[in-house]
Amino acid sequence: GAVVSQHPSRVICKSGTSVKIECRSLDFQATTMFWYRQFPKQSLMLMATSNEGSKATYEQGVEKDKFLINHASLTLSTLTVTSAHPEDSSFYICSARSDRGGGYTFGSGTRLTVV
Amino acid sequence: DQQVKQNSPSLSVQEGRISILNCDYTNSMFDYFLWYKKYPAEGPTFLISISSIKDKNEDGRFTVFLNKSAKHLSLHIVPSQPGDSAVYFCAASNTDKLIFGTGTRLQVFP
Repeated sequence: GAVVSQHPSRVICKSGTSVKIECRSLDFQATTMFWYRQFPKQSLMLMATSNEGSKATYEQGVEKDKFLINHASLTLSTLTVTSAHPEDSSFYICSARSDRGGGYTFGSGTRLTVV
Repeated sequence: DQQVKQNSPSLSVQEGRISILNCDYTNSMFDYFLWYKKYPAEGPTFLISISSIKDKNEDGRFTVFLNKSAKHLSLHIVPSQPGDSAVYFCAASNTDKLIFGTGTRLQVFP
């Protein structure tokens, strides 16, 4: 089946620094990738949709200058949290949809802690 | 505005019995519904889905029912097993985007 690899699985960074999270589709090409954030005991909230070769579409309330998304190839999307603050501490999950159609495959998530 | 809701934050079921997880939605344009299982610090794992043209889909121990008039879907797990203990999310879509519910923590005890 389709596999999405996400790393790092957890990262601790200092306030004010930037963190990059990678999401790779291993055995399929993903024309569209999605980035979610989950706070403790809450739902997965869609942050943005990225399409290969074009700008990401951000959901309302998500700062595009803070959460930089790059989808430069059909197998890789990255989320960079810039100038991270403690309130950005969360669980970030990517998802990809194969260019052959079908369902959504999720990465294993990244636990970000900003200290 | 929570378009997909799971009103029960938790559910406890004895092993071997049926688990019923419920989900309500408000957007009548949703045409595809999914259930995911999630463990802490892991990504969601797909369980089962249903298109809006159907009212039931079954896969092994898992059955999803869709009631479009009530904008309600449910996931039945029978028989429940201790390994089913996790958080279950329903999700809905009418485009590429998935909108998730708030999740229900299922605990199956021996």
